[in-house]
Amino acid sequence: QSALTQPASVSGSPGQSITISCTGTSSDVGGYNYVSWYQQHPGKAPKLMIYEVSNRPSGVPDRFSGSKSGNTASLTISGLQAEDEADYYCSSYTSSSIHVVFGGGTKLTVL
Amino acid sequence: QVQLVQSGAEVKKPGASVKVSCKASGYTFTSYDINWVRQATGQGLEWMGWMNPNSGNTGYAQKFQGRVTMTRNTSISTAYMELSSLRSEDTAVYYCARGSSTSCYSWGQGTLVTVSS
Repeated sequence: QSALTQPASVSGSPGQSITISCTGTSSDVGGYNYVSWYQQHPGKAPKLMIYEVSNRPSGVPDRFSGSKSGNTASLTISGLQAEDEADYYCSSYTSSSIHVVFGGGTKLTVL
Repeated sequence: QVQLVQSGAEVKKPGASVKVSCKASGYTFTSYDINWVRQATGQGLEWMGWMNPNSGNTGYAQKFQGRVTMTRNTSISTAYMELSSLRSEDTAVYYCARGSSTSCYSWGQGTLVTVSS
């Protein structure tokens, strides 16, 4: 089972908006509303930012939003801040034997 | 507050087994699934499987089936992940995470498992 496809890196200036894509297939992203997004700072455990495509856990700023169209999910961060610089991973339920599959990760650089 | 505290770093020889523990606090242990995810140095996240602490039901990624066992002790709110027949490619940080079977709400601090002869 291949990982979901994410861009290796994205960048933006403070205050700007960026979008990270996560492309899968109809067996995962496109077939179910179980896409999650995680933020991971170096040396730290991941943190859940979005679950079930577009839901934010309590405590996550509303600058973070998620969406999905077809087989591609997206994470948008508006009003970029320095502390948003991190790696971001998407994941999805999959009907394959793996059950959950992750994307390869995207390194966000805040210029 | 919700906390997942994992056991300490391990060094194992190829062919050995490792058992990582994950002690939960701050919530009802049997109300949420426990997922296990690993991350090799400089690499991405890899989902290994999930366990329902209430029923003990498990689901493992095909890659690990036959080598991984996820168990729990509800009396001490602790989940375990045992990986056998270790090889160098299993060197990674292993995380437990509370959540559903499809999402990880909160994570342990990670346990580094090093496989080396």
